[in-house]
Amino acid sequence: DADVTQTPRNRITKTGKRIMLECSQTKGHDRMYWYRQDPGLGLQLIYYSFDVKDINKGEISDGYSVSRQAQAKFSLSLESAIPNQTALYFCATSDPSGSSYNEQFFGPGTRLTVL
Amino acid sequence: AQKITQTQPGMFVQEKEAVTLDCTYDTSDQSYGLFWYKQPSSGEMIFLIYQGSYDEQNATEGRYSLNFQKARKSANLVISASQLGDSAMYFCATSLNDYKLSFGAGTTVTVRA
Repeated sequence: DADVTQTPRNRITKTGKRIMLECSQTKGHDRMYWYRQDPGLGLQLIYYSFDVKDINKGEISDGYSVSRQAQAKFSLSLESAIPNQTALYFCATSDPSGSSYNEQFFGPGTRLTVL
Repeated sequence: AQKITQTQPGMFVQEKEAVTLDCTYDTSDQSYGLFWYKQPSSGEMIFLIYQGSYDEQNATEGRYSLNFQKARKSANLVISASQLGDSAMYFCATSLNDYKLSFGAGTTVTVRA
């Protein structure tokens, strides 16, 4: 089984709808991240969390919110989806105590299309 | 966020040959990490190799090696003996002490038989 899972894997929605993307991990890592990838571009950080009580904005947090329900779960919400939020969304985890360089482990991605 | 520059949008390489992917970064910090990730057409992000800013030797992982030139703020990835399965998009990324990753725009590599 995958260590970092994302649901759904694909989603098509309409402008103005509220959407939640979910991320679960079995790696036991404290740190979790949400990234967005636009076609042909690199990843941009939306939000990150270093433990259950910690939430931080990334580079492009406007229009998004997150919830860290437990160590293993980190959800990303689009309160009112708009077409330019159409992208590939990745969840990632890391554990600096287990690695000398804080390697991030990525989920398989969620492809979101907003019509 | 840090600025990471990958100047090659796309590259072609013949099977069994080596290819070098360029990456430069902009930071005034002394302590940082450099990463390369591979993204095949299926979309997942696969960690390839890491170099710490204080590491004196260039990192190697199998057919991947990192040509680290600290003074030039350069961290090029070298893939030796290219295989068809190496066709993918490759991303350079850096992290500072806050452990967040900043990514470049990526380079698409196509390996020809």
